[in-house]
Amino acid sequence: NAGVTQTPKFRVLKTGQSMTLLCAQDMNHEYMYWYRQDPGMGLRLIHYSVGEGTTAKGEVPDGYNVSRLKKQNFLLGLESAAPSQTSVYFCASSYSGGNSGANVLTFGAGSRLTVL
Amino acid sequence: SQQGEEDPQALSIQEGENATMNCSYKTSINNLQWYRQNSGRGLVHLILIRSNEREKHSGRLRVTLDTSKKSSSLLITASRAADTASYFCATAPYSSNTGKLIFGQGTTLQVKP
Repeated sequence: NAGVTQTPKFRVLKTGQSMTLLCAQDMNHEYMYWYRQDPGMGLRLIHYSVGEGTTAKGEVPDGYNVSRLKKQNFLLGLESAAPSQTSVYFCASSYSGGNSGANVLTFGAGSRLTVL
Repeated sequence: SQQGEEDPQALSIQEGENATMNCSYKTSINNLQWYRQNSGRGLVHLILIRSNEREKHSGRLRVTLDTSKKSSSLLITASRAADTASYFCATAPYSSNTGKLIFGQGTTLQVKP
């Protein structure tokens, strides 16, 4: 199994350009998440989804939009990129959100985005 | 704001020594998890401890949880050069059933051969 696959792995954008990061999981996980990782900041949650057709805001949602049209895919969009969005983006998924341990996250390899 | 704070931020030890990392958090939790990240890679789950558990073991890993102090520690025994990585604690807030995890800033561990 591939697990969680993110595309693209690297991208350079100019300020104001738009782009979409794609996350795909083949584990039939219900929940999916987008995090960003910046030096000294750990991981911060951007948006998440608790099922197909649902999305919700995380800790740092401004400047991003998401869609979960299919259970296996979770898209992260930047409508007008800004230098502050230069970061490494990680997608993750989990079987569910309960306390039984089903909220263990499986991460993708990351997408490094630079906005000039 | 970040839920977890990790200490130390960086740790350098010799192969064979034990490594201890600490994590403190602010609010009640359902469970606490530890993840590992090798340079340039995604995070990998190591171990989960529930709020009603005090200690858990997995191979060379030992995790403790003290909910009264809102803190956890990760002990890696007999470290190897391959253990060189960043380690993150992540908490699942008690009031949330969304599966959201809040990550600490991480501890960077270097194990010298």
